Amino acid sequence: GENVEQHPSTLSVQEGDSAVIKCTYSDSASNYFPWYKQELGKRPQLIIDIRSNVGEKKDQRIAVTLNKTAKHFSLHITETQPEDSAVYFCAAKLSFGAGTTVTVRA
Amino acid sequence: NAGVTQTPKFRVLKTGQSMTLLCAQDMNHEYMYWYRQDPGMGLRLIHYSVGEGTTAKGEVPDGYNVSRLKKQNFLLGLESAAPSQTSVYFCASSGASGRAGYNEQFFGPGTRLTVL
Repeated sequence: GENVEQHPSTLSVQEGDSAVIKCTYSDSASNYFPWYKQELGKRPQLIIDIRSNVGEKKDQRIAVTLNKTAKHFSLHITETQPEDSAVYFCAAKLSFGAGTTVTVRA
Repeated sequence: NAGVTQTPKFRVLKTGQSMTLLCAQDMNHEYMYWYRQDPGMGLRLIHYSVGEGTTAKGEVPDGYNVSRLKKQNFLLGLESAAPSQTSVYFCASSGASGRAGYNEQFFGPGTRLTVL
């Protein structure tokens, strides 16, 4: 099966700075890599995803990069804002990372 | 559209009791999933279904059973609840994806279950 590791588990950034979360996966057959955001007490919601035929995807302040050779993918959030504070999960196939709690300091 | 809904939102059980969690989706999705979420452990897949009448085991299936008699519904059953099953349970659904792998999952609001 698939095994996904996510780092760091917590991340505190100053408002306006960038945040980077990295995930590694084990199954080279995995070809879909989503990122979900979960606010406190809410359900996870997709914020960005990437398929294995591209190396990078951007959507306004968020971007995801994929390195299939090294089997890792990363979430990049630029110009962080207080509303970016949440738990972020990566996934590969049906396995999720343990999550990263991001806190944006005003 | 309601999206994905879950019933009930909260439940407290005593050890050994049984219960069924209901998940319903109105997006005509082929795939449905049940996860449990525990602090520091992310979302762990319990069971999933790739179509009406089919189910498969996930990462942590022991102590749970599921049924998908109708395309829009996915039921999760606990036959004899244990304190270790205290968790938040999320149902999700996604469209079929074939060789492209999985698609975006749409999650329900969750059910908070406590087993005493």
